[in-house]
Amino acid sequence: KAGVTQTPRYLIKTRGQQVTLSCSPISGHRSVSWYQQTPGQGLQFLFEYFSETQRNKGNFPGRFSGRQFSNSRSEMNVSTLELGDSALYLCASSSQNTEAFFGQGTRLTVV
Amino acid sequence: SQQGEEDPQALSIQEGENATMNCSYKTSINNLQWYRQNSGRGLVHLILIRSNEREKHSGRLRVTLDTSKKSSSLLITASRAADTASYFCATDKSNYQLIWGAGTKLIIKP
Repeated sequence: KAGVTQTPRYLIKTRGQQVTLSCSPISGHRSVSWYQQTPGQGLQFLFEYFSETQRNKGNFPGRFSGRQFSNSRSEMNVSTLELGDSALYLCASSSQNTEAFFGQGTRLTVV
Repeated sequence: SQQGEEDPQALSIQEGENATMNCSYKTSINNLQWYRQNSGRGLVHLILIRSNEREKHSGRLRVTLDTSKKSSSLLITASRAADTASYFCATDKSNYQLIWGAGTKLIIKP
């Protein structure tokens, strides 16, 4: 079974730009969660999608948004990038109430 | 925001020794999970313990859960260099969100 795939792996963007990250979950998993990981703040929950619906959202500004498609693939978008958005963005998929399987992450650097 | 707390924040031991990490949480849970993260990469699930379980083993890993104290511990026996990583606990509530601790950075010295 293929694992969770995140693309791209690395990204460099300029302040003010926007970025879209992609996550393909494990086949059959309908829940996809997104996390931001920084050295200072640790692992922070962004949002979770299930069957194309956002079920839960963390405490991030509206510049952070996401969506899920009918095939469970998910994208997250960050608009008007700030230097502080530089982080490792992790996606995880799961079946309900079971372990989460993580992708390798997308390393975003904002300059 | 982080609701789980792991301690210690960092742990350095000699290869072959046992490593113990603790996790405390604040609310009732369905289950508690431990994950490992190697430098800058995705997290790997290690073990899941349900709220009605007190102890669970997987290879060299032993996890305990004390729901009355809202705490869990992860014991890695006979540590190896490959165990060097950050270890996170995550609690699963019923609102489809894992609550994560800040992690314990484990270094195994050869």
